Formats: sequence, structure tokens, C-alpha cells
Amino acid sequence: AQSVTQLDSHVSVSEGTPVLLRCNYSSSYSPSLFWYVQHPNKGLQLLLKYTSAATLVKGINGFEAEFKKSETSFHLTKPSAHMSDAAEYFCVLDSGGYQKVTFGTGTKLQVIP
Amino acid sequence: EAGVTQFPSHSVIEKGQTVTLRCDPISGHDNLYWYRRVMGKEIKFLLHFVKESKQDESGMPNNRFLAERTGGTYSTLKVQPAELEDSGVYFCASSQDRYGRAYNEQFFGPGTRLTVL
Repeated sequence: AQSVTQLDSHVSVSEGTPVLLRCNYSSSYSPSLFWYVQHPNKGLQLLLKYTSAATLVKGINGFEAEFKKSETSFHLTKPSAHMSDAAEYFCVLDSGGYQKVTFGTGTKLQVIP
Repeated sequence: EAGVTQFPSHSVIEKGQTVTLRCDPISGHDNLYWYRRVMGKEIKFLLHFVKESKQDESGMPNNRFLAERTGGTYSTLKVQPAELEDSGVYFCASSQDRYGRAYNEQFFGPGTRLTVL
């Protein structure tokens, strides 16, 4: 069985401070992991993806995530938050084969001016 | 290039009525997926088309839901009759990978917010 846990439903940071959105996964297979972002009234947009290449993955808009197999984690980080980063973020797991993808419950990021 | 589009953006109907949601994938994408997010819960897979064929419909909640993709282009998801618990946001996504593997990035539409009263 596969599962994704996003540890925080809401995260609030001040503009210019670091962002950390946490994601833990469980998978019987070598996973592919993704972070998507959804701005209000928009579709989900891919931020970055891990597919068994480099464990530190860089994405768009200054985001990056590190795949840590020993900790079964794939946390999303950004050094300095911008107002435009306020959105909902989803961690997504694909265990491969014919497994369906599994979404986390989402983390809403609030950026305070 | 146009992205995935969904229509309508919002739909409010009464219990027992019928609603049809439409999804237009990115042109040339063979794979089309439907997902649903019930309020406060995670986004859940409903089904997956490869061209006009249903590859996997194991996530469809019950037989009140019918999805079609005639001609392998746009898809419709019909709920008949709608129940209160069907309320949520219905997302559509498409991908180009001919094997239907998610690592080839699924492109999502903005979703249709369905409210059943």
C-alpha cells in the first residue's frame, strides 16, 4: 500500500523568510514524488518531481525538495517566501507500475507581508 | 498551447438532478484522468482513459457516475442522480506518456466545483 502524509494543513510565514512544507510517504516500490501548487481558481501546477535521479530536486520559482529514503521524506523548501507563493501545495506519490497516484491532503501556505 | 480546460467552473444542483462535467485535455494527450476532492479531504483518483478506452475506473464511487471519452478527445463525467455526498471539486488531468505513467507529468485543469443541495 502507498500513502502520503502532509504533516501541516496550514503554514504561515513572513515574506522573505524560509518556507518548509513537510511530506512523508510510504511505498512498497521505488517511488516517484511530485510537488504541485494550486493557486485560487487555477489548476494544479507541477513545481518539481523526483524520479530516482538526483535526490535534491530543483523546481520552478525557487523551490526545491530533497528525497530522503532513510526518512521516507520529500520536504519542499524555499529560502525566501514571496507573496505570490501563497497557495495550496500538494505532495503526490507514484509507486509505478499500474498503481494510481496518491495525493497528500494539501498544505495551505500563507505569506504575511 | 492551451491547457486543460473544464466546464463548468461551478455547478449548483439539487439532490436527484443530473449534472455533466466536461474536460478538454491538451491536444495530443492520450491519457485523461478524473479526480475528485471532497471538502477537507485529499484528492482521489476516479478513473483513467487511454484514448477512448477506460484503462482504470477503480476509483469511481458507484454506478451513478458515468465517464465517457468518445473519439479520444474530450471527456464527460455524468452524475445521475446526484447525492449530497457528491459535492466537491472535480479535477481533470491529461498526460502525454503512452504508458500512462504519472512521472511524465499530468497537466491539471482548474476543476469544477460541484455543490449538491
